[in-house]
Amino acid sequence: ILNVEQSPQSLHVQEGDSTNFTCSFPSSNFYALHWYRWETAKSPEALFVMTLNGDEKKKGRISATLNTKEGYSYLYIKGSQPEDSATYLCAFEDSNYQLIWGAGTKLIIKP
Amino acid sequence: DAGITQSPRHKVTETGTPVTLRCHQTENHRYMYWYRQDPGHGLRLIHYSYGVKDTDKGEVSDGYSVSRSKTEDFLLTLESATSSQTSVYFCAISASAGADTQYFGPGTRLTVL
Repeated sequence: ILNVEQSPQSLHVQEGDSTNFTCSFPSSNFYALHWYRWETAKSPEALFVMTLNGDEKKKGRISATLNTKEGYSYLYIKGSQPEDSATYLCAFEDSNYQLIWGAGTKLIIKP
Repeated sequence: DAGITQSPRHKVTETGTPVTLRCHQTENHRYMYWYRQDPGHGLRLIHYSYGVKDTDKGEVSDGYSVSRSKTEDFLLTLESATSSQTSVYFCAISASAGADTQYFGPGTRLTVL
């Protein structure tokens, strides 16, 4: 059974600080890596889809990197704001296009 | 927001009763998915559809069946609900398979007593 691990499980960050967290996934049968943001009482929303080793994506203050050879991706948030509080999910997509989801990192921004 | 609705949004039922959840989309996307979300777990795929009348099992399909008679509707049925099926169920859609974004519905909270 493929496993996708996200760390840490939760994270408290002071407003204005930058932070990052990790998604670890199998290094074989890789097709793509997805990042989603999930706010309380809402549905998950896509942030990035990455397919190539060394890929870097950026959307505003949020960016992500991908290392398919060692099986990890980092999500970075620069200058955290209260509206960044959410659970961040990653999903490993295998060569059969099946998504295996991590349990998420819950980010709480302290004013 | 992608046009995805789920009904009902909340349901409480008793063990042994059949339950059907509906997912409706207005995006004309080919792929539709049913996930369940439980504390401490990531989203787990129950079943998915790659076209009208074309469905396949996901990771946790036991005790669930699906049907897709129209592009816009994907039904999830629990033939005889059990307490272990208490969960939040999400429908998702995507235009294609392979590195494509999935868009999620608002979720259905199901409680089986």
